[in-house]
Amino acid sequence: RKEVEQDPGPFNVPEGATVAFNCTYSNSASQSFFWYRQDCRKEPKLLMSVYSSGNEDGRFTAQLNRASQYISLLIRDSKLSDSATYLCVAANQAGTALIFGKGTTLSVSS
Amino acid sequence: GAVVSQHPSWVICKSGTSVKIECRSLDFQATTMFWYRQFPKQSLMLMATSNEGSKATYEQGVEKDKFLINHASLTLSTLTVTSAHPEDSSFYICSAIGTDYGYTFGSGTRLTVV
Repeated sequence: RKEVEQDPGPFNVPEGATVAFNCTYSNSASQSFFWYRQDCRKEPKLLMSVYSSGNEDGRFTAQLNRASQYISLLIRDSKLSDSATYLCVAANQAGTALIFGKGTTLSVSS
Repeated sequence: GAVVSQHPSWVICKSGTSVKIECRSLDFQATTMFWYRQFPKQSLMLMATSNEGSKATYEQGVEKDKFLINHASLTLSTLTVTSAHPEDSSFYICSAIGTDYGYTFGSGTRLTVV
C-alpha cells in the first residue's frame, strides 16, 4: 500500500466549477499535512497546510480527518489558472520528512 | 521569503558522463537539504538527506556511489550523477529548510541522458 494515495484524476472541469480532491495516508504517526501545487515541468509550490479544524484560503478549503487518515482539498469557482497537478503530502511533526502522493491533475477549461 | 536556487535548470548529456547539479539557499542558512527525483507522472521520491559537514543519508535503493552528494556549506549542496545512463533521465529537485524557514524547493533540473 502506498503511503499517500490520491484520486487518480485527471479532473476536467469548466470554469466556475467546484472540485474536490481526496487523499489518504497510511502512516498514523504523520503529524503535518500539506497540499502542494505543481505546474508542468516545475517544482512543487506550497498551496496550504492542512489542520484538523479545517482551514480556508480564499477559494481553497482543506480538511483533515485524523481518525480516517483522510485529507481533502476543495476548490470553488475554478479558474483557468488553477490547472495544475495537486500533491497531497504527509510529514513528520517537524515537517522535515515529507511523503508525497502521485498527484491529481486538474484541467480547467473555458 | 526564502529562495532556493537550483542550477542548471536543464541539461542534456551523453551516456557515461557525469553531471553536477547545484542547490543554493540564497537568503538563509539551510540546516538540511534534500534531493528528490521525479519520473513522469510519478510522485517526488526522496533520494537523500544532507546536513552541512556530514555525509548524506540515502534512501533505500539509491546508490550512494552513483549519486554523490556534497554539502560543504550551509548554503550549498551539490548532487553529482556519475556515469549517467538514459534511465537516470528524470527531474531532480532539491529543497532546503532553515531555522526560521520551512520547506523550500529549488526550481528543479531536468536531466536527459542520451
